[in-house]
Amino acid sequence: DVKVTQSSRYLVKRTGEKVFLECVQDMDHENMFWYRQDPGLGLRLIYFSYDVKMKEKGDIPEGYSVSREKKERFSLILESASTNQTSMYLCASVVAGGPFGETQYFGPGTRLLVL
Amino acid sequence: TQLLEQSPQFLSIQEGENLTVYCNSSSVFSSLQWYRQEPGEGPVLLVTVVTGGEVKKLKRLTFQFGDARKDSSLHITAAQPGDTGLYLCAGAARGGADGLTFGKGTHLIIQP
Repeated sequence: DVKVTQSSRYLVKRTGEKVFLECVQDMDHENMFWYRQDPGLGLRLIYFSYDVKMKEKGDIPEGYSVSREKKERFSLILESASTNQTSMYLCASVVAGGPFGETQYFGPGTRLLVL
Repeated sequence: TQLLEQSPQFLSIQEGENLTVYCNSSSVFSSLQWYRQEPGEGPVLLVTVVTGGEVKKLKRLTFQFGDARKDSSLHITAAQPGDTGLYLCAGAARGGADGLTFGKGTHLIIQP
């Protein structure tokens, strides 16, 4: 079974703190993604990565950065957390090279509350 | 930016009834996926449709991809309380390599 794990299910942080969200997948997938999910807005793509040390901005990258030092691990970083970054964060991975909609496997999500 | 309009946003029906959820766009997608998400969990893939006009069945769930690959529908026959959840459609532009464009989801409640 493909497994995507996220380091925390719930996090509470204070405004201005630096926050690290970690995601690990065990299927040797090339592509990894970070989304945030908010009521009424659905899932929105923050950043994604094709390969180690490569990153691409998604639709809403402002206030976030990412790191991909190893193929299996993709980290989302909030340099200075703000209350509007309170959200559910979802990591996903997919194998590259398929011509059509390869399955994206999602982690269980991290629910972040910024006070 | 590609957009997917999903409707209805909320749906509450009685057990045994049928329902259809719609996913529409003005953009063409290489494929379209349907996910189901339980509270506090990540989305889980139900099906991927690739070919225009394609119909796929998963037990009581029937998925259809529009001929022009711009829209899709999910039909549930004889809904059961276990079908309750958030249903998401997601379109892939390049096989999903650049991420998926998600609809806002349909919150489905099946009442016993």
